[in-house]
Amino acid sequence: GAVVSQHPSRVICKSGTSVKIECRSLDFQATTMFWYRQFPKKSLMLMATSNEGSKATYEQGVEKDKFLINHASLTLSTLTVTSAHPEDSSFYICSARPLGRGSGANVLTFGAGSRLTVL
Amino acid sequence: GDSVTQMEGPVTLSEEAFLTINCTYTATGYPSLFWYVQYPGEGLQLLLKATKADDKGSNKGFEATYRKETTSFHLEKGSVQVSDSAVYFCALSPANQAGTALIFGKGTTLSVSS
Repeated sequence: GAVVSQHPSRVICKSGTSVKIECRSLDFQATTMFWYRQFPKKSLMLMATSNEGSKATYEQGVEKDKFLINHASLTLSTLTVTSAHPEDSSFYICSARPLGRGSGANVLTFGAGSRLTVL
Repeated sequence: GDSVTQMEGPVTLSEEAFLTINCTYTATGYPSLFWYVQYPGEGLQLLLKATKADDKGSNKGFEATYRKETTSFHLEKGSVQVSDSAVYFCALSPANQAGTALIFGKGTTLSVSS
């Protein structure tokens, strides 16, 4: 089945530094990847939609200069949290939609998530 | 816009009890409906799905039926196990909007004790 790998799974950084999180589709191509942020009370917030070869589309209220998204290929999207602050500490989850049509294209495969802690 | 509403948790059950987690949605047309499960410290995994009215999705003893008339997609399991303890998310994919993100409910925590 479709597998999405997210790396790193856990990262601790100092305030003011930048952190990059990678999201890779291992056995399928994905023109579209989505980045979610999960808050302590479980709710998932869509941050942005990442499209291969073009700029990401950010949801309202998400700072695009702070959360840089790059979708360099059909199998890789990266999220960089720039100048991280403690309030950026969260669980970040990526997901990918397989290339193509059919009912399978409606199913998102999720990465295992990345726990960011900013000290 | 489209939205998903899940019952508030946590849901606490004893092993072998019957489980129902309610999910209703608001959407135009016929969205696809999903249940995802998140085990502690992990990402989301697809549990089951239904793509049209009256479809029943099933997996690992869990079932959910797409009810257009009540705009619902309730999750059920006849006999829960301790290993089912997790957070369950109901979600929809808007109709005729290929490439858009899923819309999630807020999640329901299930805790099963032996």
